[in-house]
Amino acid sequence: DTGVSQNPRHKITKRGQNVTFRCDPISEHNRLYWYRQTLGQGPEFLTYFQNEAQLEKSRLLSDRFSAERPKGSFSTLEIQRTEQGDSAMYLCASSLGARSRSYEQYFGPGTRLTVT
Amino acid sequence: QQQVKQSPQSLIVQKGGISIINCAYENTAFDYFPWYQQFPGKGPALLIAIRPDVSEKKEGRFTISFNKSAKQFSLHIMDSQPGDSATYFCAASGSVSGSRLTFGEGTQLTVNP
Repeated sequence: DTGVSQNPRHKITKRGQNVTFRCDPISEHNRLYWYRQTLGQGPEFLTYFQNEAQLEKSRLLSDRFSAERPKGSFSTLEIQRTEQGDSAMYLCASSLGARSRSYEQYFGPGTRLTVT
Repeated sequence: QQQVKQSPQSLIVQKGGISIINCAYENTAFDYFPWYQQFPGKGPALLIAIRPDVSEKKEGRFTISFNKSAKQFSLHIMDSQPGDSATYFCAASGSVSGSRLTFGEGTQLTVNP
């Protein structure tokens, strides 16, 4: 399967702990996006990368959130000092990007975070 | 700030019927309008997408109708099947915004057998 993969699929953590999620995009996709989805809502944009450069961050992304994409391949999203309000599905998507003028974004299965 | 409004919130149709979901957007810089299908516990799957240079796009049983002047677009599912029961999201993006997607709130579709 050459789709977007995310790990772990589920994460339960206690309030105040740090968590890290990983996303592996579709091979050769140079754009990678992170979204957050709460129950009954549409996904909300968090941040995106063009290769290894983080080009935009949403105001939703507080100082406790940090994302990286070293070497322009996989990406990690870290949440420090988790809060109950961080409980959500964290989705990763990738696209070919501006080089090919393709805007089609393909999503991974998501990581379900529960903060107790 | 809700830039893409979607309706209805939920929809029940009979097998073989037509499902219609509507979306309206505000940002005139949007130039790409995809629809996603999401099953419980799964990520959204790209269904069909349209650009504003055409008024309609059809792929199998799925059709997008686009009205640029009204800033509205809709998804039509012909011959709806129980397997189509899922949550559908419209979205919009623009090249000037890095192509990040702004999603509607979703429509939960139930197709009764």
